[in-house]
Amino acid sequence: NAGVTQTPKFQVLKTGQSMTLQCAQDMNHNSMYWYRQDPGMGLRLIYYSASEGTTDKGEVPNGYNVSRLNKREFSLRLESAAPSQTSVYFCASDAGTDTQYFGPGTRLTVL
Amino acid sequence: EDQVTQSPEALRLQEGESSSLNCSYTVSGLRGLFWYRQDPGKGPEFLFTLYSAGEEKEKERLKATLTKKESFLHITAPKPEDSATYLCAVRASGGSNYKLTFGKGTLLTVNP
Repeated sequence: NAGVTQTPKFQVLKTGQSMTLQCAQDMNHNSMYWYRQDPGMGLRLIYYSASEGTTDKGEVPNGYNVSRLNKREFSLRLESAAPSQTSVYFCASDAGTDTQYFGPGTRLTVL
Repeated sequence: EDQVTQSPEALRLQEGESSSLNCSYTVSGLRGLFWYRQDPGKGPEFLFTLYSAGEEKEKERLKATLTKKESFLHITAPKPEDSATYLCAVRASGGSNYKLTFGKGTLLTVNP
């Protein structure tokens, strides 16, 4: 079991560029999440998907879109990147009732 | 609004020097309290889930306890490999029960 995987591991963008962060899990979990982690801020929820075909906004959704492609995959898209989106992005999943398991993260820098 | 406050922000220990990390929380009905360990450049790694006051869980040198207002992560005779940031999070019961609210973490450094 690979658990939760994320690609890419690192990315540098220029302001206004777009990109998609990929996440996949092999634990047959229904729920998937995208968080961002900034120094001194803790982990903050961007978007959430309770099941295939459903998505919902979290605490900081502005500037992001998501797609739950199937049960395994949940992607996060930045349409027009801004320096404020420089952060570390984590994907997580759970069975809908308990503990969330996290991926290794994507470190994004927007210049 | 759910809130989680962790203290201290940073803790430096000598190898073998036992101590505790604190997680104070405010939540409208606790579904679960979670402890994670995060190493530099890595994702959070699950340690424990606690569900009700009085519950305790142990793993190697770590022991987590829970009251109605706070949780403690006790570290007994720590080793340098226990150095990491420890995160606490709560999950509320009710309508928003998907959401984890995280504290900012405690950075633990254990010197040999």
